[in-house]
Amino acid sequence: EIVMTQSPATLSVSPGERATLSCRASQSVSSNLVWYQKKRGQAPRLLIYGASTRATGIPARFSGSGSGTEFTLTISNLQSEDFAVYYCQQYHSWATFGQGTMVEI
Amino acid sequence: QVLLVESGGGVVQPGKSLRLSCAASGFTFSGSAMHWVRQAPGKGLEWVAVISYDGNHTYYSDSVKGRFTISRDDSKNTLYLQVSSLRPEDTAVYYCAKDPARAAAVYFFDNWGQGTLVSVSS
Repeated sequence: EIVMTQSPATLSVSPGERATLSCRASQSVSSNLVWYQKKRGQAPRLLIYGASTRATGIPARFSGSGSGTEFTLTISNLQSEDFAVYYCQQYHSWATFGQGTMVEI
Repeated sequence: QVLLVESGGGVVQPGKSLRLSCAASGFTFSGSAMHWVRQAPGKGLEWVAVISYDGNHTYYSDSVKGRFTISRDDSKNTLYLQVSSLRPEDTAVYYCAKDPARAAAVYFFDNWGQGTLVSVSS
């Protein structure tokens, strides 16, 4: 099983700032990586697929990068609605998720 | 727009069974692979099972293999998860999720339901 590790567990940022979230795979997943946003009591929302392609309707302030084993989600100019938990997930071999990064004010 | 609505969760004793349902609308259900993903309280997300667009292929995570059964009824645009021999560690919110591919599943999820809670306790 491919193990996904996210860091940090919690990220404290102020509105308007930039947040940088990391995700590492235990073996190469090529570009088969997605990012989701999840708010309490809500369904997860697909943000990024193919490591760097924004899903439909996702604002340009969300960007993804990386390949192989190291990936980054960057949220520029953080808005109040962006405070949530973010999960990475690989789909190179079945599907496994990271443990999440909480972005808090 | 795509809408996925789960139902069927509840409180159940260890060893018992439940059938979860997911009513789908807003897309061609019969053309999409579908998944179940769960999240235990305070934990991360865990992929549970997938069924191919035609229902001919099903795959499960090791943690549920032999106990859970995924199925679909395209005439009703509904996805099911029969959960049996339940254990306390199966306590979770269960989400149905749509695979974005039109043929072979790619194993990520472009639309999710709101989830249904299964609580296993004596």
